[in-house]
Amino acid sequence: DGGITQSPKYLFRKEGQNVTLSCEQNLNHDAMYWYRQDPGQGLRLIYYSQIVNDFQKGDIAEGYSVSREKKESFPLTVTSAQKNPTAFYLCASSVSGPGGTQYFGPGTRLLVL
Amino acid sequence: AQTVTQSQPEMSVQEAETVTLSCTYDTSENNYYLFWYKQPPSRQMILVIRQEAYKQQNATENRFSVNFQKAAKSFSLKISDSQLGDTAMYFCAFTPSGNTPLVFGKGTRLSVIA
Repeated sequence: DGGITQSPKYLFRKEGQNVTLSCEQNLNHDAMYWYRQDPGQGLRLIYYSQIVNDFQKGDIAEGYSVSREKKESFPLTVTSAQKNPTAFYLCASSVSGPGGTQYFGPGTRLLVL
Repeated sequence: AQTVTQSQPEMSVQEAETVTLSCTYDTSENNYYLFWYKQPPSRQMILVIRQEAYKQQNATENRFSVNFQKAAKSFSLKISDSQLGDTAMYFCAFTPSGNTPLVFGKGTRLSVIA
């Protein structure tokens, strides 16, 4: 089945540790996105990529990094510089062209120990 | 800056009744795309309905329909014959074009009561 997978479902980070969230899609979508969801905040954009080997910062990119070495993969690293990483992280992808609908993965819940 | 506002943080509706969720947005673009997403307790984001701004006809998907008022920059979602499975957070979202990120409202929590 085509879709978007995120792993792990839950992730625990210790102080000073970098952690990486995985996002893979087999929908042949060019564009991929990372959003952060906090209670009462809706979804906020962290990074997005419209093509392999290229990505742009979103509204809250500080403390995060990404790579896009393959079309189907867009991993997100939460670095130690992100002081408040506890949140729900959602990955999405879309086709090229106007109005491409974004489809979402199941999400990763990140908690700080 | 483009913004999306959902003015109803929480709503409830009796099973089988109709409910309307409000959404307004602010943009200087003439062509754009609007979406409603549903997030049930599983937290999976599910597309409910999509509207293209250049189409005057309101989008419908089974029990879900929208009232798109371009001049007023309003995009409300009507759910008919509400079902218990409709209980979820509902997010209104906007994008000026393809391949660009969505701008989300803060959501409306809908509870369907038996």
